[in-house]
Amino acid sequence: EDQVTQSPEALRLQEGESSSLNCSYTVSGLRGLFWYRQDPGKGPEFLFTLYSAGEEKEKERLKATLTKKESFLHITAPKPEDSATYLCAVSSGTYKYIFGTGTRLKVLA
Amino acid sequence: GAVVSQHPSWVICKSGTSVKIECRSLDFQATTMFWYRQFPKQSLMLMATSNEGSKATYEQGVEKDKFLINHASLTLSTLTVTSAHPEDSSFYICSASQDSYGELFFGSGTQLSVL
Repeated sequence: EDQVTQSPEALRLQEGESSSLNCSYTVSGLRGLFWYRQDPGKGPEFLFTLYSAGEEKEKERLKATLTKKESFLHITAPKPEDSATYLCAVSSGTYKYIFGTGTRLKVLA
Repeated sequence: GAVVSQHPSWVICKSGTSVKIECRSLDFQATTMFWYRQFPKQSLMLMATSNEGSKATYEQGVEKDKFLINHASLTLSTLTVTSAHPEDSSFYICSASQDSYGELFFGSGTQLSVL
């Protein structure tokens, strides 16, 4: 069965304290892996797409990596404005998307 | 990036009334759109897949007569919550993709409160 698991469920960091969020997946025929950021009361905001193992993408303090079994979202020197829920999703086949339950990140000043 | 517009952002209605939520892809054509429901501190729950020009495909447990979906054009899908009741109160989000397996782009969501 296709599955996406994110860990940790919640994470509290001090400003400047780097860390990583994990997204483990089991899917037949991965087409793409996606990272989103969601602020309270808003729709998810697209961050990255990764298509193949070894691929990396960066945007400001965020870096996403992909292996054959998992993806990491590395956050370098986070700021309070990085506080949000980060969602991971995979696509397999046509219009089949599976979402993880998210990691709630809180960055303290 | 692609833009998906969703309206209204929030709506309050009386029990028994119907509410329509619109989802538009502003700068791309979306053959397929998706409707999600989200409860506080929980992940997205797929309700239905909306296909332009055909009937929507509903997930198990979602009442198709309660949640009417219409995808009349390549840029517009609507979700109508019929005879809304307090238990229908939730955050509803739509999304669309430019192709069949690429990234989804989301609307800003609609907070529905049924009194």
